[in-house]
Amino acid sequence: GDSVTQMEGPVTLSEEAFLTINCTYTATGYPSLFWYVQYPGEGLQLLLKATKADDKGSNKGFEATYRKETTSFHLEKGSVQVSDSAVYFCALSLLNDYKLSFGAGTTVTVRA
Amino acid sequence: DGGITQSPKYLFRKEGQNVTLSCEQNLNHDAMYWYRQDPGQGLRLIYYSQIVNDFQKGDIAEGYSVSREKKESFPLTVTSAQKNPTAFYLCATSPTGTNYGYTFGSGTRLTVV
Repeated sequence: GDSVTQMEGPVTLSEEAFLTINCTYTATGYPSLFWYVQYPGEGLQLLLKATKADDKGSNKGFEATYRKETTSFHLEKGSVQVSDSAVYFCALSLLNDYKLSFGAGTTVTVRA
Repeated sequence: DGGITQSPKYLFRKEGQNVTLSCEQNLNHDAMYWYRQDPGQGLRLIYYSQIVNDFQKGDIAEGYSVSREKKESFPLTVTSAQKNPTAFYLCATSPTGTNYGYTFGSGTRLTVV
């Protein structure tokens, strides 16, 4: 079935460090790919998305590029802040199937 | 502003009691979803609905029930048959026919004592 696999956490970084969270997917068609962020005690918020191969999604300094050849959608940020501490979820949906399949989530903690 | 309202934010119930969690949206989205999240865990789909008066079981529907009488509302009842109901419950919506992704509510934390 269609699924996403995220790198396991937790990830602990110092402020201004570079962050990468790996996400790979398995899908029978051509999925759209998403990154969601969940701050403590809150619901999920859409961080960025990409709908076709080679698209780059970006928001709040985060970026992810849809790589069809490696079936990946890794999340990156060049300089993290304490406020980036959250759980990050990778997700996919197939064309004409709006249900999302979520990864297990990666907890990121940024220390001052 | 359009959005999703989940209420209450915190809910305490005694073991053996049914409890209903509210989810209301004014985004005019057709599809609505209920997820359960346990501490340090990912999301597990309980029920979803693509249209009024129709809904489908997700991966962990046992011990839960839903209704979809109005487009705007998708309440979730946690019944006494749910063996471990203490969790964080998230409601989400999406338009159909697109890869728009989901909009999530702020969640309800249910504690059964």
